[in-house]
Amino acid sequence: GIQVEQSPPDLILQEGANSTLRCNFSDSVNNLQWFHQNPWGQLINLFYIPSGTKQNGRLSATTVATERYSLLYISSSQTTDSGVYFCAVGTDSWGKLQFGAGTQVVVTP
Amino acid sequence: GAGVSQTPSNKVTEKGKYVELRCDPISGHTALYWYRQSLGQGPEFLIYFQGTGAADDSGLPNDRFFAVRPEGSVSTLKIQRTERGDSAVYLCASSYQSGAYNSPLHFGNGTRLTVT
Repeated sequence: GIQVEQSPPDLILQEGANSTLRCNFSDSVNNLQWFHQNPWGQLINLFYIPSGTKQNGRLSATTVATERYSLLYISSSQTTDSGVYFCAVGTDSWGKLQFGAGTQVVVTP
Repeated sequence: GAGVSQTPSNKVTEKGKYVELRCDPISGHTALYWYRQSLGQGPEFLIYFQGTGAADDSGLPNDRFFAVRPEGSVSTLKIQRTERGDSAVYLCASSYQSGAYNSPLHFGNGTRLTVT
């Protein structure tokens, strides 16, 4: 099956800092989504982005499908950004997703 | 509420018992998914429903696991003869899917299953 690698595995940020999370995948995909799992375990969809660039407030994401990677940018980080960020990809025409291992982000005041 | 609803939020059962986990998807979402998340890992796919039928059950670990969605809305994940290794958070998600178009997946808060 498709392999999904996320880096870095852990990230500690000071409040206000910017960061970039990376997701590499081993095959062509037609579905790529980024999720944030907060410390209470709730999994929130951030972006549906099989290709191109999207922005939502302080977060933005870029997927370069031909080179098999996606980037998630967090700007002006806040303590509420803490949690685990997952990249998930799919190769089917529907929503079955293969998740990466995640990047654990801790934002300190 | 407008989100995916899962009940119970927590379930503790003894090894060998039968459990049922319920998922109520977002209204109008045609696709429903079950995932399982073990501690420190990303969610793993179990089964996908489009309407009432299980379109892909390739992620179910063995025949002790079964899921239904009889009316194309609420789904129940059933686990027979539970084992300690079944302990995990069981997540349900839904999306609108039509042909090649998929909307983003929206997850419920999960059911934490503990098998003692």
